[in-house]
Amino acid sequence: GNSVTQMEGPVTLSEEAFLTINCTYTATGYPSLFWYVQYPGEGLQLLLKATKADDKGSNKGFEATYRKETTSFHLEKGSVQVSDSAVYFCALSGPQGAQKLVFGQGTRLTINP
Amino acid sequence: DAGITQSPRHKVTETGTPVTLRCHQTENHRYMYWYRQDPGHGLRLIHYSYGVKDTDKGEVSDGYSVSRSKTEDFLLTLESATSSQTSVYFCAIGGVRSPLHFGNGTRLTVT
Repeated sequence: GNSVTQMEGPVTLSEEAFLTINCTYTATGYPSLFWYVQYPGEGLQLLLKATKADDKGSNKGFEATYRKETTSFHLEKGSVQVSDSAVYFCALSGPQGAQKLVFGQGTRLTINP
Repeated sequence: DAGITQSPRHKVTETGTPVTLRCHQTENHRYMYWYRQDPGHGLRLIHYSYGVKDTDKGEVSDGYSVSRSKTEDFLLTLESATSSQTSVYFCAIGGVRSPLHFGNGTRLTVT
């Protein structure tokens, strides 16, 4: 079945550092890929998405490229801020219809000033 | 929050008691979902609905039932709560061409 594997956390960086959170997936067919972010005490919010191979999703300085050859969707940001501290989830959706997302385990990111 | 309200926000209950969590949406979305969030597991789908009275099982449906009698409400019921059902429960709405939007969650503790 479909699955998502994220890099283990927690991740702690200093402000303005470069961020990479690795995500790889296993899926049949052609899934869509997503990054969601969860701030303390809140639900998940969509950060970015990509629906086909070589698509790049971007939002708020974050980017991720759908790499079918390496089955990866790594999240990157060039210069993180304290406000980026949150838990990040990589996810994929299956065939058309209901978005029955399959999530990775989440990566907790802490940015120190 | 894309017009999603979960209630209650927090609940503590005893093993063996029934519990119902409510999700209410004001977006008229066809699809609604219940997920649970546990450390090390991310979010896992419990049940989802694709219309009034139309529901289906997700990955971790054992011990849970759902009902959707109106477009705006999706109820999750634990018929006899167990300690393994201690978790944070999230409702979400969204469909084929729209991303999922999540509520703020219900923290359930079963003692």
